[in-house]
Amino acid sequence: QSALTQPPSASGSLGQSVTISCTGTSSDVGGYNYVSWYQQHPGTAPKLMIYEVSKRPSGVPDRFSGSKSGNTASLTVSGLQAEDEADYYCSSYAGNNNWVFGTGTKVTVL
Amino acid sequence: QVQLVDSGGGVVQPGRSLRLSCAASGFIFTRYGMHWVRQAPGKGLEWVAVIWSNGINNYYADFVKGRFTISRDNSKNTLSLQMNSLRAEDTAVYYCVREYSPFNGFDYWGQGTLVTVSS
Repeated sequence: QSALTQPPSASGSLGQSVTISCTGTSSDVGGYNYVSWYQQHPGTAPKLMIYEVSKRPSGVPDRFSGSKSGNTASLTVSGLQAEDEADYYCSSYAGNNNWVFGTGTKVTVL
Repeated sequence: QVQLVDSGGGVVQPGRSLRLSCAASGFIFTRYGMHWVRQAPGKGLEWVAVIWSNGINNYYADFVKGRFTISRDNSKNTLSLQMNSLRAEDTAVYYCVREYSPFNGFDYWGQGTLVTVSS
């Protein structure tokens, strides 16, 4: 199972928006609505930010939103804040009790 | 509150074995599928294995199939990962992870335990 493809880096100014893409295939992202997104700060465990493509767990700010079109999912962070600077990973169910993660994107807040 | 506490990591020689454990608390353990996810130093996340809530069904990533075994003790709220025939490329932080719902995202993560495979 190949990793989902994410851009290595993305950036935006304070208060602006940034969108991260996550490209897979019809066997994973395109085939299931089980795409999730994780935020990871250095030296800490990942945190679930989005599940089922666009749902937010309680406690996650509504500045974080998710969507999907075909084999590509996206995470948008609006109103960027300094604490949003982190690594972001997507993940998808890939069928047959397998899961796959994205390659990761480092978000920098300018 | 939900807590997952990983333990058992360390330095091990190639070809040897190691057993990781995860102590779960703050939720009804028997209702959730549990996973192991790993992260090599400076690298991305990799899914390793899953065990269903019933403790019977388990599945693995191809790169650990036949070498690693995931198990759970629902009477003790613990998750384990037996790792045999370890290779240098298995060096990583291993996280115990709770599945939000079947096939869905991972909502709670342990703090991770570092496994270093080196001679």
